[in-house]
Amino acid sequence: DAGVIQSPRHEVTEMGQEVTLRCKPISGHNSLFWYRQTMMRGLELLIYFNNNVPIDDSGMPEDRFSAKMPNASFSTLKIQPSEPRDSAVYFCASSPQGLSTDTQYFGPGTRLTVL
Amino acid sequence: AQKVTQAQTEISVVEKEDVTLDCVYETRDTTYYLFWYKQPPSGELVFLIRRNSFDEQNEISGRYSWNFQKSTSSFNFTITASQVVDSAVYFCALSEAFTGGGNKLTFGTGTQLKVEL
Repeated sequence: DAGVIQSPRHEVTEMGQEVTLRCKPISGHNSLFWYRQTMMRGLELLIYFNNNVPIDDSGMPEDRFSAKMPNASFSTLKIQPSEPRDSAVYFCASSPQGLSTDTQYFGPGTRLTVL
Repeated sequence: AQKVTQAQTEISVVEKEDVTLDCVYETRDTTYYLFWYKQPPSGELVFLIRRNSFDEQNEISGRYSWNFQKSTSSFNFTITASQVVDSAVYFCALSEAFTGGGNKLTFGTGTQLKVEL
């Protein structure tokens, strides 16, 4: 079975440009998470969806960040406009049922560099 | 607020040595889940184990073993007879339930394990 799929794997862009990261969760999973990993802050949760509905977006840094989940098999994380401090690895994860007992399975990540 | 502490930033061992990675957590929840993930140099996060707060039995999986002690709020990870392929960053994480369902993982800062020949 395919795991969580993320694209692109690497993205290099210039400050001020719009960046869109994409995620396909594991088929049948109802919950989807976006995380950001940086040296300074480690792994931090940005936003969490359950059954395509955003449940908690308190980790989204600012209004430049937005996330959508139009259907059960696709989510996007958009940064507009991007800034150099947004450079990080962005992970998408999914879990089966949105229960507190669930294990989250991570995608390979998108390494974003903003020049 | 929940907190996970991995005090060991980096550990270096020689192949075939045993190594223990420490994890200490803080939570007010009576029911919670603990996880370990591995992040090899390729960058992905690989799930290793999940343990619930009611089960304090130690677990062994091949060369990996986990020691959960509720009394000391610790969930330590031991690799026996380490190999070069074990070189990675290992993260301990604590699960916290969302009000609307699902769980939020609080990660430790990770321990970089280097296994040398």
